[in-house]
Amino acid sequence: ETGVTQTPRHLVMGMTNKKSLKCEQHLGHNAMYWYKQSAKKPLELMFVYSLEERVENNSVPSRFSPECPNSSHLFLHLHTLQPEDSALYLCASSQTGTANYGYTFGSGTRLTVV
Amino acid sequence: QKEVEQNSGPLSVPEGAIASLNCTYSDRGSQSFFWYRQYSGKSPELIMFIYSNGDKEDGRFTAQLNKASQYVSLLIRDSQPSDSATYLCAVKQYFGNEKLTFGTGTRLTIIP
Repeated sequence: ETGVTQTPRHLVMGMTNKKSLKCEQHLGHNAMYWYKQSAKKPLELMFVYSLEERVENNSVPSRFSPECPNSSHLFLHLHTLQPEDSALYLCASSQTGTANYGYTFGSGTRLTVV
Repeated sequence: QKEVEQNSGPLSVPEGAIASLNCTYSDRGSQSFFWYRQYSGKSPELIMFIYSNGDKEDGRFTAQLNKASQYVSLLIRDSQPSDSATYLCAVKQYFGNEKLTFGTGTRLTIIP
């Protein structure tokens, strides 16, 4: 495996379900991110983990719960979601301390809440 | 005021012509600027970055930066149908703050 891998690619869940999104990066980066992408909106930063410590949480509802057990893995635990949470959820990684370093994105999870 | 602004398009350009994509940003402390390409249903892919005023060329792509005007652009020469995608401008604001702020993207269509 290379780059950033996300599973599952597609997820349909009911409003009462609990599910988790998984992200793994194979690039040796030290920071990982969760983004939400909805139609006609900019990418919304949800969570930032740097060196396995959560450094940013952009007022995300508590029904989204991130977990970063090590620098290569990132999870997003989902429970009691709302239909408006349907979106593409993107994981990204980067190497901090280098201003000219962009993010590498995973292929995303297309989430539909019914 | 939006932090990073792009014209959402769609921008239609004939095949073989130059496509010009523009982006403005509000934070004068911004240090680095990135262009991502996103095909429909896919994730963003980094195609260019620039941090110094002036032009940076990579193949058919040229990024232009004017920090005084807070303006960054992407030129695509000899446009191909495979260039049809949404182009996202992203800005990194401070050393030590690694957050990228994205614009809404410009949808580009190359007409054969």
